[in-house]
Amino acid sequence: QQQVRQSPQSLTVWEGETAILNCSYEDSTFDYFPWYWQFPRESPALLIAIRPVSNKKEDGRFTIFFNKREKKLSLHITDSQPGDSATYFCAASTGNYKYVFGAGTRLKVIA
Amino acid sequence: DPKIIQKPKYLVAVTGSEKILICEQYLGHNAMYWYRQSAKKPLEFMFSYSYQKLMDNQTASSRFQPQSSKKNHLDLQITALKPDDSATYFCASSQERDYEQYFGPGTRLTVL
Repeated sequence: QQQVRQSPQSLTVWEGETAILNCSYEDSTFDYFPWYWQFPRESPALLIAIRPVSNKKEDGRFTIFFNKREKKLSLHITDSQPGDSATYFCAASTGNYKYVFGAGTRLKVIA
Repeated sequence: DPKIIQKPKYLVAVTGSEKILICEQYLGHNAMYWYRQSAKKPLEFMFSYSYQKLMDNQTASSRFQPQSSKKNHLDLQITALKPDDSATYFCASSQERDYEQYFGPGTRLTVL
């Protein structure tokens, strides 16, 4: 079954801390994993993405760690800023024009 | 200038009526998608099109019908509207499959 699960549902961290958002999936044919973030009253926007050929993808303060064997990935946000407060969606695709999204993690960064 | 245009921004409809949600993209992309977002289902994939051809349909109800008159247009017709259809509908596009998807601003539909 094609499902993407995210945890925690919500997360609160202090400014400067590292926020860790988790994602797991079941379908081993998934081969593209984008993370999107969405601010209130806005549309989702791509934040960072990874393919299974890599186990790590870094972009500034945002890093994806990918464990293909366990079918898990996580998004690490270092030096969290209040402006990072948003809902983060993990998604997966098998390359057939279909994307499966997780339920999202609502992150709040307190100054 | 907005690259993906969705019209209207807000839409109120009565139960049983029919509405068309408009989406146009000016990014030169070949693939377009529809998603639905509500409190019950945070972000739900509905349809995908590539070169005006339906690639995937994850919407069980035939009340939802995508319409593509041009490569950069993908409208969504919804018939026999129900209150449960109330949601924000996002159109998205990408150059090809598995590439970055750009989302439009959304149409917020309320069915009374």
